[in-house]
Amino acid sequence: GEQVEQRPPHLSVREGDSAFITCTYTDPNSYYFFWYKQEPGASLQLLMKVFSSTEINEGQGFTVLLNKKDKRLSLNLTAAHPGDSAAYFCAVRFLSSGSWQLIFGSGTQLTVMP
Amino acid sequence: EAAVTQSPRNKVTVTGGNVTLSCRQTNSHNYMYWYRQDTGHGLRLIHYSYGAGNLQIGDVPDGYKATRTTQEDFFLLLELASPSQTSLYFCASRDSSNSDYTFGSGTRLLVI
Repeated sequence: GEQVEQRPPHLSVREGDSAFITCTYTDPNSYYFFWYKQEPGASLQLLMKVFSSTEINEGQGFTVLLNKKDKRLSLNLTAAHPGDSAAYFCAVRFLSSGSWQLIFGSGTQLTVMP
Repeated sequence: EAAVTQSPRNKVTVTGGNVTLSCRQTNSHNYMYWYRQDTGHGLRLIHYSYGAGNLQIGDVPDGYKATRTTQEDFFLLLELASPSQTSLYFCASRDSSNSDYTFGSGTRLLVI
């Protein structure tokens, strides 16, 4: 079945620097890809949803890259600020035995230092 | 806006105890899910349902039962709680017409 590996588990950057998080997946039939942000004590907040047909998506202060050939999904926070400090999770949605499934990466704890 | 409400927010029980976690969604979504979140594992699917009376097994179902009593309500049952079930539990819902999941605020369970 699908496996999702997320790296790094912990990331510390200075304010204004970029923060780069990557997930690799195994199922070539994965169709939807998600990035979630989780602040301490809070639920998961959807940052961006990417379809398999789109390779680059830009949000507010971040870019999501999808490389289907390498089966890699990346989140790049440009010019990170302390408010970006949180846990980030990728998730991959794929079809298994006729049913949609969602598999999460293990998460990246990002700390942005002033 | 779809809302998913979990209760309780925090729960402490003893080993062997009986625990029920509740989840209610107010947007008539077809699908509801129970996940557990542990350090180093992300979210892992316990059980899910695509409608009242339906139950599907997830990836880590051992030690858990679930029941979907209505379109809105999905319960997770731990009949003989063990310390390994100490975790943060999230409920989520999704409409069958799209891929967007709405998550609840989580229930933190401690089994001592």
